[in-house]
Amino acid sequence: NAGVTQTPKFQVLKTGQSMTLQCAQDMNHEYMSWYRQDPGMGLRLIHYSVGAGITDQGEVPNGYNVSRSTTEDFPLRLLSAAPSQTSVYFCASSSPYRGNYGYTFGSGTRLTVV
Amino acid sequence: SQELEQSPQSLIVQEGKNLTINCTSSKTLYGLYWYKQKYGEGLIFLMMLQKGGEEKSHEKITAKLDEKKQQSSLHITASQPSHAGTYLCGAAHGSGNTGKLIFGQGTTLQVKP
Repeated sequence: NAGVTQTPKFQVLKTGQSMTLQCAQDMNHEYMSWYRQDPGMGLRLIHYSVGAGITDQGEVPNGYNVSRSTTEDFPLRLLSAAPSQTSVYFCASSSPYRGNYGYTFGSGTRLTVV
Repeated sequence: SQELEQSPQSLIVQEGKNLTINCTSSKTLYGLYWYKQKYGEGLIFLMMLQKGGEEKSHEKITAKLDEKKQQSSLHITASQPSHAGTYLCGAAHGSGNTGKLIFGQGTTLQVKP
């Protein structure tokens, strides 16, 4: 039971570099989301998806792109990394048919932009 | 997020004491989630509340939803060091389940032995 898998766990980028944070789930969940977590600010929603081919912006979408070509994968792209994007990133998945089991979160990716 | 405000932001209690964390929404609630996070780790789902007046318990943690006040409270009875961590509330504001879950800023709890 892998659940939600995020890779890499740690990453250091230079300003202006691009990279993709990977997120995969094996629970056949329709919903997937990306959050960033900064000290004192809780979790802020970046982008979310309710199914393959459907994505929408969250609270802090600028500087990030997403796509959802399959149910299982929801990659997050940083096109030109900035120091302000230094954060811990979490991916989550859920299903509208899941009842009271909530969203399942990955273990996070700690990103530092220098 | 300003849509969800948690109070207090941090809390230090003596082991064995009771405590309450509040989560207030500026919008109508259609589902309220409580999560716990240990430092440097991912989020662990505690419980979800959907109906006004609903109350759920898990071990020594009880959560209630006051739909009229658009507020939820998380109460820990006889706190233990294992309860230490950050507690986050998340809310689904759209009618039905839109897949969009917004979180409060979190409440950090320390339990002194």
